[in-house]
Amino acid sequence: DAGVIQSPRHEVTEMGQEVTLRCKPISGHNSLFWYRQTMMRGLELLIYFNNNVPIDDSGMPEDRFSAKMPNASFSTLKIQPSEPRDSAVYFCASSFWGAGGNEQFFGPGTRLTVL
Amino acid sequence: GENVEQHPSTLSVQEGDSAVIKCTYSDSASNYFPWYKQELGKRPQLIIDIRSNVGEKKDQRIAVTLNKTAKHFSLHITETQPEDSAVYFCAAPRESGGGADGLTFGKGTHLIIQP
Repeated sequence: DAGVIQSPRHEVTEMGQEVTLRCKPISGHNSLFWYRQTMMRGLELLIYFNNNVPIDDSGMPEDRFSAKMPNASFSTLKIQPSEPRDSAVYFCASSFWGAGGNEQFFGPGTRLTVL
Repeated sequence: GENVEQHPSTLSVQEGDSAVIKCTYSDSASNYFPWYKQELGKRPQLIIDIRSNVGEKKDQRIAVTLNKTAKHFSLHITETQPEDSAVYFCAAPRESGGGADGLTFGKGTHLIIQP
């Protein structure tokens, strides 16, 4: 298995532009998580899905952020409009929620820079 | 929601010595506690986890202990080696249960192994 796949790996954009981050979870996993990592705030949970259904989006900073999971093998995180303070590394992680299963496997991350 | 505190923020030890990192959590219902290791520029990767029905778990040079009464858990690394240098994060489920919940992470400990 290729593991969790994220694209793009790096994104540089200008303030006000729309940014879309993509994630393909590990095949067979039924939970997907979006995290953001910055020096100041560390690793923060933004939103997570179980069986493609959003469970908790209380970590989404504001209405400029939205996430979707149209099927079990794809999720997007969108920022519109982007701002410089959104600059961070965004990680997608997936796990199999079942008997004893909890380990979250992280993707390589997308490094976002908003100028 | 869960609140996780991690100490110290930086830890420097001589190669071959032991390292201990401590975390506290706030939600007494939490029952799953993972530790992640993140090397510079890489993704977080699970190194060990523990559930609340045991007090200690060991995997070669790494061990985790859990004190549910005091609501704290610790990571122990023995016979440290240069490749142990990284940032280590503790975590606990964002909501009670330990199922397919997003994780609340500690702020991280930068472990430096001195040759």
